[in-house]
Amino acid sequence: ILNVEQSPQSLHVQEGDSTNFTCSFPSSNFYALHWYRWETAKSPEALFVMTLNGDEKKKGRISATLNTKEGYSYLYIKGSQPEDSATYLCAFVSSNTGKLIFGQGTTLQVKP
Amino acid sequence: GAVVSQHPSWVICKSGTSVKIECRSLDFQATTMFWYRQFPKQSLMLMATSNEGSKATYEQGVEKDKFLINHASLTLSTLTVTSAHPEDSSFYICSSNRALSYNEQFFGPGTRLTVL
Repeated sequence: ILNVEQSPQSLHVQEGDSTNFTCSFPSSNFYALHWYRWETAKSPEALFVMTLNGDEKKKGRISATLNTKEGYSYLYIKGSQPEDSATYLCAFVSSNTGKLIFGQGTTLQVKP
Repeated sequence: GAVVSQHPSWVICKSGTSVKIECRSLDFQATTMFWYRQFPKQSLMLMATSNEGSKATYEQGVEKDKFLINHASLTLSTLTVTSAHPEDSSFYICSSNRALSYNEQFFGPGTRLTVL
């Protein structure tokens, strides 16, 4: 059974704080690693699709890194804002099946 | 980005009844759609992959006779939970990859099913 773990499970920060969370995934049969942002009562939205070891992607104040050899990805949010409050999901895509295997998510709450 | 809608957003039903959930791609043709389920404090788990015009492929442990999937057009896939029981209470969410590389998904907003 392929396991994707995210930590921490939840996080409370003050507005302006920078934060990061981790996604651990199998280091074999890697095809891609996705990050999604999921706001309450909305659809999960893709943030990043990462495919190469050492990849670093950025969208505004959010960035992500990828290490396929050791099986982890970090998501960073610089200067958190209340609108960043959401659950952040990562999903490992296996080269064997092409299917997405999700972590449980990290729920971020940013207090004004 | 692509838009996927899902209806209803929540439903409460009595044990033994059947419930149909619709998933529509609003601005693209979805050859393939995916159905996921999420129990409280757990991750999204793939239930089945639905391909337009053919039978769905179910994941191990998912009963195909209980969770009927129909993908009769390029914009609509339906999931029917037949003879629902309280243990079927869960969050159901659909998605499509719009044939994008690396299987990037566009999700609907999900349906909360509560079976009494």
